Amino acid sequence: EAGVVQSPRYKIIEKKQPVAFWCNPISGHNTLYWYRQNLGQGPELLIRYENEEAVDDSQLPKDRFSAERLKGVDSTLKIQPAELGDSAVYLCASSLDSGADQPQHFGDGTRLSIL
Amino acid sequence: GENVEQHPSTLSVQEGDSAVIKCTYSDSASNYFPWYKQELGKRPQLIIDIRSNVGEKKDQRIAVTLNKTAKHFSLHITETQPEDSAVYFCAASIPGRRALTFGSGTRLQVQP
Repeated sequence: EAGVVQSPRYKIIEKKQPVAFWCNPISGHNTLYWYRQNLGQGPELLIRYENEEAVDDSQLPKDRFSAERLKGVDSTLKIQPAELGDSAVYLCASSLDSGADQPQHFGDGTRLSIL
Repeated sequence: GENVEQHPSTLSVQEGDSAVIKCTYSDSASNYFPWYKQELGKRPQLIIDIRSNVGEKKDQRIAVTLNKTAKHFSLHITETQPEDSAVYFCAASIPGRRALTFGSGTRLQVQP
């Protein structure tokens, strides 16, 4: 079974530039999560999708962050414009469904560096 | 919201010794507690999880215990090996949000 696939693995941009990350979840997984992991910390949830619907985006900074999952499979996370404090690893995870005890499987993440 | 505290932040053991990492959580309604292992530059990997209707779960050299009354859970690794060296994260489900709150991580180093 292929795992969660993310791209790119690394991204370096200057502040105020836009950036986008892509995620392909495990086949058949209806629930998709985007997390942000700052250096030396645990992941923090940004947004959760049930199929194509964003059901929890309370931690997403909506002034500059946006996400979509148009066909309920792949997802993109965008930042525009990027700020220095956005430097982090952006992790995508998926689970079979949104049950509270469903294991979440993570991708390798995109390491974003803002210059 | 849920708050998860994890300690120690770093742990160094000799190969063959046991390692124990402890976490506490704040929301008594939390019902799912996974542990992830993250090697440098790699994805967090689920290594074991426990649900609130179980007090202990074991998988080879790894075990997790849960004390619901005290709201804490622990990861136990026996017969540690150098390849166990990594950062370990505990997490707890957020009731109603169906997402995870993670601890701040424990960097485990197993000395050969």
